[in-house]
Amino acid sequence: EPEVTQTPSHQVTQMGQEVILRCVPISNHLYFYWYRQILGQKVEFLVSFYNNEISEKSEIFDDQFSVERPDGSNFTLKIRSTKLEDSAMYFCASILDGHEQYFGPGTRLTVT
Amino acid sequence: GQQVMQIPQYQHVQEGEDFTTYCNSSTTLSNIQWYKQRPGGHPVFLIQLVKSGEVKKQKRLTFQFGEAKKNSSLHITATQTTDVGTYFCAHRLNYQLIWGAGTKLIIKP
Repeated sequence: EPEVTQTPSHQVTQMGQEVILRCVPISNHLYFYWYRQILGQKVEFLVSFYNNEISEKSEIFDDQFSVERPDGSNFTLKIRSTKLEDSAMYFCASILDGHEQYFGPGTRLTVT
Repeated sequence: GQQVMQIPQYQHVQEGEDFTTYCNSSTTLSNIQWYKQRPGGHPVFLIQLVKSGEVKKQKRLTFQFGEAKKNSSLHITATQTTDVGTYFCAHRLNYQLIWGAGTKLIIKP
């Protein structure tokens, strides 16, 4: 069964450094998402992406964040200058159409 | 902004007992989705409800959407250890999902 993949599974970085989280959505899917989940808390929407542009973003998704689909398969989330409070699990998700979102296994980001 | 409130935060049950989690909104929802997240795992889609008063079943899981489309519930009959995890409701609004806080199902040893 096709699945969303994410790399790395765990990323440790120092405060102020840039990180890029990578996702490979399911190949024929059209809509792509990034979510984050601080440990033990609820899932928070960051951004949605369709037709090579951002369709919606939350208040969390400020100027430090950016997304890209550089080559038609990868979907990346960049955090320009990480802060301690960016430490969380980051999930990528994709859908073809309809409503079921398929989530990747997540990247645990630890900012020290 | 639109919010979805979910209770309880935790529910401890003996294996074989039932489990219920509730979601509420102050505004009418066009849809409600339910996800399960196993410990250390990622959310997995369970179901979407869109019709007023809708009831759907998946084996021991029963999902309901209220008549006014402002509340929803997930009921698990005769819980098993495989049911352990956090159950989230979420409302799909335009291109985003608005999530409830989740209810963690804990099976007492």
